[in-house]
Amino acid sequence: GAGVSQTPSNKVTEKGKYVELRCDPISGHTALYWYRQSLGQGPEFLIYFQGTGAADDSGLPNDRFFAVRPEGSVSTLKIQRTERGDSAVYLCASSPRPEGYNEQFFGPGTRLTVL
Amino acid sequence: AQSVTQLDSQVPVFEEAPVELRCNYSSSVSVYLFWYVQYPNQGLQLLLKYLSGSTLVKGINGFEAEFNKSQTSFHLRKPSVHISDTAEYFCAVSYTSGSRLTFGEGTQLTVNP
Repeated sequence: GAGVSQTPSNKVTEKGKYVELRCDPISGHTALYWYRQSLGQGPEFLIYFQGTGAADDSGLPNDRFFAVRPEGSVSTLKIQRTERGDSAVYLCASSPRPEGYNEQFFGPGTRLTVL
Repeated sequence: AQSVTQLDSQVPVFEEAPVELRCNYSSSVSVYLFWYVQYPNQGLQLLLKYLSGSTLVKGINGFEAEFNKSQTSFHLRKPSVHISDTAEYFCAVSYTSGSRLTFGEGTQLTVNP
């Protein structure tokens, strides 16, 4: 079946602009995660949704970052007033259900470059 | 705070040689441990996971890892590597079910002919 998809695959923007990154999880997965991977580093957690609500947003670096999942499926990560330091690969993952431990399935990522 | 340390940033080996990629995590009462592989321009793929039970965990592509609670380690091993194993490997930990993964900084495994 289809895996996690992310669009766009690449996004180049100018400092100060607004960007939206989209994640389509695996159908039926209730949990959705966003991570950010800077060059040469491991992924860092940003936010976790269970259904429509953010269960843990403690990884968002500041109030320029915001994410939504209005219908409990597709999620959008929104970054306002982008800065050069926001350049990274943004990864999305989904997981089947909250009970027990479930594997997180990762998408290919969106590479964001802020000029 | 959760933390994961991957002790080697780069590991070069020759084809058919054994390899060990080292991972240590900050101690906690219970943990879930993972190894992910990332091939160039691809997403993260789960190699193996430790949730409970046997401390020796076998994964895909001939990899295995051993959970050592006293040393808070979860080292990844393969007895004989192939050129196709060249990739970035990430160790990760989760402290509660369904919660975030905390990743190490990665180990670049390069298999040379």
